[in-house]
Amino acid sequence: DAKTTQPNSMESNEEEPVHLPCNHSTISGTDYIHWYRQLPSQGPEYVIHGLTSNVNNRMASLAIAEDRKSSTLILHRATLRDAAVYYCILRTIYGASGGSYIPTFGRGTSLIVHP
Amino acid sequence: DTEVTQTPKHLVMGMTNKKSLKCEQHMGHRAMYWYKQKAKKPPELMFVYSYEKLSINESVPSRFSPECPNSSLLNLHLHALQPEDSALYLCASGLSGRGPEAFFGQGTRLTVV
Repeated sequence: DAKTTQPNSMESNEEEPVHLPCNHSTISGTDYIHWYRQLPSQGPEYVIHGLTSNVNNRMASLAIAEDRKSSTLILHRATLRDAAVYYCILRTIYGASGGSYIPTFGRGTSLIVHP
Repeated sequence: DTEVTQTPKHLVMGMTNKKSLKCEQHMGHRAMYWYKQKAKKPPELMFVYSYEKLSINESVPSRFSPECPNSSLLNLHLHALQPEDSALYLCASGLSGRGPEAFFGQGTRLTVV
């Protein structure tokens, strides 16, 4: 499976935008880029995913480089509730055709949000 | 209902005890997973069930025994655990073969004494 590289930690001030980078230089053409986050004492939660085009949803935006070797998760206005570990994951498919999408987690980026 | 429910939330057990962790989802997902997470580490995949059949066992010791009684339920039976097995155990479910998302429960915090 292609690997991802993320900074160990980042800091932000409340109500400022946050750009969380992820490098995935060995990504294959069919790998989707997914982001999950894990708030303290909770299970991970899905944030967003994309293949080639930039994506927006109610939680965040995902900007994907033209060569797809890197991507950036953008939180437009960080709040204290966004303090979490953010995981950048490339799609892993197991099993027969169709398979099951199974998140395989790297170390992630711990986001600290200052009031 | 987009929840994955895990019980109990906390469990303390002795090394000679037998206990079970339970996971339930009613989203119609046919893939269910167990992960183990040690403190300050990312979740590590343990088992995958697809259509109620075990499809992945990531070389997990036999003192952990998964069971999928039906498409909504996933159990993890624990026996003769070691203190190093203390961790957060996470259950997740997803649309087998479709959909990008996996939905995680809040986990069971297990302490082996």
